[in-house]
Amino acid sequence: EAGVAQSPRYKIIEKRQSVAFWCNPISGHATLYWYQQILGQGPKLLIQFQNNGVVDDSQLPKDRFSAERLKGVDSTLKIQPAKLEDSAVYLCASSSYGTGKENEQYFGPGTRLTVT
Amino acid sequence: LAKTTQPISMDSYEGQEVNITCSHNNIATNDYITWYQQFPSQGPRFIIQGYKTKVTNEVASLFIPADRKSSTLSLPRVSLSDTAVYYCLVGLNNNDMRFGAGTRLTVKP
Repeated sequence: EAGVAQSPRYKIIEKRQSVAFWCNPISGHATLYWYQQILGQGPKLLIQFQNNGVVDDSQLPKDRFSAERLKGVDSTLKIQPAKLEDSAVYLCASSSYGTGKENEQYFGPGTRLTVT
Repeated sequence: LAKTTQPISMDSYEGQEVNITCSHNNIATNDYITWYQQFPSQGPRFIIQGYKTKVTNEVASLFIPADRKSSTLSLPRVSLSDTAVYYCLVGLNNNDMRFGAGTRLTVKP
């Protein structure tokens, strides 16, 4: 079974530029998550999708961050414009629904973003 | 939101059993307790999940007392490769489940 795919793995941009991350979850997983992990901290949930609907985006800085999952499969997370404090690893995860394993999230390798 | 409290760090030696305790005083009736492991430069990995009493798999055991206000992750006979950050989460169906700072376990030779 293929895991969660993310791209790019690394990205360096200047502040005020825009950037986009892509995630392809495990096949059949209805729930998709985007996390931000700053060095030395635990992952912080940015947004949670159930199919193509948003379940929780309470911690997403909506003035600069946006995410979509139009067809209920892959997803993109965008930052525009980026700030220095956005430097972090952006993790995508997915989980199944209706299987009794909803609490088991599978994480991708992450995208390390550096904003200079 | 059910909050969790874990020790910031722990040290152990190879071959020892390690027990990491997590406090979750406000756990809701339907909440499950889930533990993840994270190695440097990788995403977290699901280890184990439980609701009450004891759960065991090939990696770890999870002990949950009757009041469910805490839980203990037990790693038998740790090796250097178990050095990682361990996170305790509580919630149902991943709703309102939040990662804290976790416990940084260092296994020494």
